[in-house]
Amino acid sequence: GENVEQHPSTLSVQEGDSAVIKCTYSDSASNYFPWYKQELGKRPQLIIDIRSNVGEKKDQRIAVTLNKTAKHFSLHITETQPEDSAVYFCAAQTSDQTGANNLFFGTGTRLTVIP
Amino acid sequence: DTGVSQNPRHKITKRGQNVTFRCDPISEHNRLYWYRQTLGQGPEFLTYFQNEAQLEKSRLLSDRFSAERPKGSFSTLEIQRTEQGDSAMYLCASSLFGLGGDYGYTFGSGTRLTVV
Repeated sequence: GENVEQHPSTLSVQEGDSAVIKCTYSDSASNYFPWYKQELGKRPQLIIDIRSNVGEKKDQRIAVTLNKTAKHFSLHITETQPEDSAVYFCAAQTSDQTGANNLFFGTGTRLTVIP
Repeated sequence: DTGVSQNPRHKITKRGQNVTFRCDPISEHNRLYWYRQTLGQGPEFLTYFQNEAQLEKSRLLSDRFSAERPKGSFSTLEIQRTEQGDSAMYLCASSLFGLGGDYGYTFGSGTRLTVV
């Protein structure tokens, strides 16, 4: 099955700086890569996703890049704010018309934005 | 429809007891997933349904675990003879799978199980 690795496990940045979280995956058939933000005691919430037919996607201060050849994808948060503090999970999924597999998650990155 | 709903939010049980959790997915979603999350880890896949059919089960799902989705709407996850190692957050998610693939993967708030 798919194996997703995520780094770093913890990340502290000053408010206003950028944060980058990186993930690698093992299954070359994976073609959907979402990122989830999970605040303490709350559900994981989808913040951005990317499909394998694009290399980059941006939504305001959040961007995701995908390198299918190297099998890695990254989350970039610019102009970080204290409310960005949370645990972020990357995930990978094979999704096609014959039947999607489940999401395989990374182990998470605890981001702390220092005011 | 306010999203994926899970009940109860918290469950404390004694070792050896049986517990059952319920998940109500987003109404138009045909797929329903169960995940388990322990502290400091990402969600781990347990099983998923498309409509009422259980399509895949993880090796994590021992024979003490059973899940159903009898009418293709809500689902239940039962754990028999609970063990302390079963203590975790049990997350349910639903999605809409169609010709274009799998979309709208949305999680519920989870059921936190503590086995004492």
